[in-house]
Amino acid sequence: EIVLTQSPGTLSLSPGERATLSCRASQSVSSSYLAWYQQKPGQAPRLLIYGASSRATGIPDRFSGSGSGTDFTLTISRLEPEDFAVYYCQQYGSAYTFGQGTKLEIK
Amino acid sequence: QVQLQESGPGLVKPSETLSLTCTVSGYSISSGYYWGWIRQPPGKGLEWIGSIYHSGSTYYNPSLKSRVTISVDTSKNQFSLKLSSVTAADTAVYYCARQIHLFDYWGQGTLVTVSS
Repeated sequence: EIVLTQSPGTLSLSPGERATLSCRASQSVSSSYLAWYQQKPGQAPRLLIYGASSRATGIPDRFSGSGSGTDFTLTISRLEPEDFAVYYCQQYGSAYTFGQGTKLEIK
Repeated sequence: QVQLQESGPGLVKPSETLSLTCTVSGYSISSGYYWGWIRQPPGKGLEWIGSIYHSGSTYYNPSLKSRVTISVDTSKNQFSLKLSSVTAADTAVYYCARQIHLFDYWGQGTLVTVSS
């Protein structure tokens, strides 16, 4: 099983700042089969990024993904108030596993 | 617009079987894709439970495989989850989702509590 470790656990930033979230895999994720989701309280997760760097339909271009192999990053270029949420990475190269999440909170 | 809706009992007794159904609208299950179940214990992260193709082929999380059965009813455009021998550790919000390896459309989730 591929274990995904996200860091930091909590990230405190202000609107307008840049956010960088990390997802590290215990072994290489094939073909960059890595996705990112955003989850707000009481809601289902929403797909943001797939294939490590492709934005899902309707996702603003301030969200970007990068990385390959075992190290992946989600960047939010300029935080909007609605971006404060929990973010999960998920690999789909070998079965399906999720990271434990990074909580992005308002500073 | 693809929509998914989970339904089923919100309370299940320990050692019994949890049963949930996901009703899909806006897309015919018979047209393709996998359809999956994911759960999230209160205050915790996401765990994939298992998935089914419209043909009925299934694959499950190895950690839950011995207790999970997922089935599909294309005539009703529904798929279902059964989880046997539940314990308090199975208390969670259960989501159904459309799956193309990643999960692109999700239901709103339903909380299932395991308690006597």
